[in-house]
Amino acid sequence: DTGVSQDPRHKITKRGQNVTFRCDPISEHNRLYWYRQTLGQGPEFLTYFQNEAQLEKSRLLSDRFSAERPKGSFSTLEIQRTEQGDSAMYLCASSLVPTSGSVNEQFFGPGTRLTVL
Amino acid sequence: SQQGEEDPQALSIQEGENATMNCSYKTSINNLQWYRQNSGRGLVHLILIRSNEREKHSGRLRVTLDTSKKSSSLLITASRAADTASYFCATKDTNAGKSTFGDGTTLTVKP
Repeated sequence: DTGVSQDPRHKITKRGQNVTFRCDPISEHNRLYWYRQTLGQGPEFLTYFQNEAQLEKSRLLSDRFSAERPKGSFSTLEIQRTEQGDSAMYLCASSLVPTSGSVNEQFFGPGTRLTVL
Repeated sequence: SQQGEEDPQALSIQEGENATMNCSYKTSINNLQWYRQNSGRGLVHLILIRSNEREKHSGRLRVTLDTSKKSSSLLITASRAADTASYFCATKDTNAGKSTFGDGTTLTVKP
C-alpha cells in the first residue's frame, strides 16, 4: 500500500498524559498536513510542512501541541498534558507541490482517533 | 467559521436518484476540492476544480464552480447505496498552502 499511513489508528489515554502520533506520507510528496476533526465537523487545519520546514501553524495548535518532520519524510504530532477537549480524529495528509504549479491535491490517511478519559 | 459551508447539512434520497450538494466560500481561491468520508474513516479525494474552470466531470460526478457567487455544487447522478457518506468541500486560498473545509453534507442513499 503506497498511500498515507498513520499510527496508531486508535489511542485511549488519561487526562494529563502525553501522546504521540506518527504519519508516513506518500513517499515522493513534499508537503505534509495535520488536521483535527471532531464529530459532525469538517477537518480543521493544524499545521503543515514543506519538506522539513514547518510553514504554517493554526491558532488551534496550542503550546501543548508540537509537530515535527525531521528528515522531510514521516512526521510526528505530540500532545502534552492531554485534556478531554483534545478527543478527536487526527488526520494527516500529503501532497506534491511542483515548483512550477500550485495544484495541490491532498491525499489523506485513515486518521488516529484519540479518546482522552 | 469554516471557509467552505456545505448545504444541505443532511440529504436523504432513494437509490437511482440524483444528489446535489452546494458549497459556499468567502475569499478568493486557487482551487476547490470535494472529498468523501465514510463514517469513522479518512477522507477520499473526489475531484478538484481550478478557479479558472467552470465545470468538471468524473464518472457519475459533476462539479460546477461559480467564482462570482463564490459557490460550487457537486452532483452525483444515479446514486447508489454505496454513495452513503459525508461529503466535504475544501478551498485552497490563493496565497495559502492549507485547505479549509466546511462541515459537510451527510448523504444517505436508501436501497
